Amino acid sequence: QQPVQSPQAVILREGEDAVINCSSSKALYSVHWYRQKHGEAPVFLMILLKGGEQKGHDKISASFNEKKQQSSLYLTASQLSYSGTYFCGTDVSGSNYKLTFGKGTLLTVNP
Amino acid sequence: SQTIHQWPATLVQPVGSPLSLECTVEGTSNPNLYWYRQAAGRGLQLLFYSVGIGQISSEVPQNLSASRPQDRQFILSSKKLLLSDSGFYLCAWDRTGKGYTFGSGTRLTVV
Repeated sequence: QQPVQSPQAVILREGEDAVINCSSSKALYSVHWYRQKHGEAPVFLMILLKGGEQKGHDKISASFNEKKQQSSLYLTASQLSYSGTYFCGTDVSGSNYKLTFGKGTLLTVNP
Repeated sequence: SQTIHQWPATLVQPVGSPLSLECTVEGTSNPNLYWYRQAAGRGLQLLFYSVGIGQISSEVPQNLSASRPQDRQFILSSKKLLLSDSGFYLCAWDRTGKGYTFGSGTRLTVV
């Protein structure tokens, strides 16, 4: 079952904040977040494991609410380099072998 | 350090022709390997994954097949391409808890 991401697209000015949500209809063992620049491969941002932890580095962080089967990615004080499509990948089996990705959220940061 | 190589970068093939895409990983042993396909607006679709030599799991029934003849080599094949096989094909490997590392991708256009 494909996770649902929202919003589908968001436009920001440099320095603004954004939140991207990822919801699943099934219980989750982990959630991955990736960013993909146009024409390039996705790049791993972070993984959140069952336990409701929050992780982050620099000004990008994420939370995982396993009871609600949701994860959110927080981008604060956005930079031009944050532009791209963000994907969440969910693991419902606990094996980490079968990530199912959402359709992505297109983030555009303008000067 | 670990690296993943995928080739070719672009490919234009006529309908009905065969396909062979190759992916190799360096700097690690016994990686989990994946083939994903990305079509516009549909996110990343898992096609095959492999947890060891000769062990292939198929996620989507179609005219594609995968093989893992060596520990760090993963090959995606087709005997006869269809128009619907066009897309961006990505190979990936992972370490548990560390996320997926994707290759640079192959953009396949079937004409």
